[in-house]
Amino acid sequence: DTEVTQTPKHLVMGMTNKKSLKCEQHMGHRAMYWYKQKAKKPPELMFVYSYEKLSINESVPSRFSPECPNSSLLNLHLHALQPEDSALYLCASSPLLRGPSNEQFFGPGTRLTVL
Amino acid sequence: AQKVTQAQTEISVVEKEDVTLDCVYETRDTTYYLFWYKQPPSGELVFLIRRNSFDEQNEISGRYSWNFQKSTSSFNFTITASQVVDSAVYFCALSPGNYGGSQGNLIFGKGTKLSVKP
Repeated sequence: DTEVTQTPKHLVMGMTNKKSLKCEQHMGHRAMYWYKQKAKKPPELMFVYSYEKLSINESVPSRFSPECPNSSLLNLHLHALQPEDSALYLCASSPLLRGPSNEQFFGPGTRLTVL
Repeated sequence: AQKVTQAQTEISVVEKEDVTLDCVYETRDTTYYLFWYKQPPSGELVFLIRRNSFDEQNEISGRYSWNFQKSTSSFNFTITASQVVDSAVYFCALSPGNYGGSQGNLIFGKGTKLSVKP
């Protein structure tokens, strides 16, 4: 199994809603990532988990809350988002956070619209 | 500073033409890794190739080939005999390294949108 899955594919939410994005991989990778991608821009790193511990937080607002319950699963909890948070949210995984063989494998993304 | 520049914002070719996507990078690290990813309209980023800074051999995979030149800090990507299915945004990315391994973060270029017309 060489894929990263993300659910849901599309999400529309109001500014007062609470929702969660889910990412799963079964490749035995120990590093997992959340990226945000606006239209016509490259992905921007948000969070990195290594061995289920938060390793990097790129100064992301607290309305985004990541969680890594186990080595295969990564969640992103959303609360009180703003319309400018509308974007494609990509999850990725790599064998390790640091090492010679760490190409990141990406999921298909969740397209989020905040009304 | 670590930076990746993809100067070509958009390229349009006709099917069967060859096309080269340029990538120029900046880093002070002696160990680093370079990547190319493809992002079709569906949104998923597809890994194409990884190259480390110690390996300057060019690589060919089917219709794809990569030319890595440390002297010019470039890692260009050529598609031979392009097809409509090659239409996508292509990202070049740099991962800084130390102690022989990557630090894990990817620095992306802005991407080149390739349109292949029938």
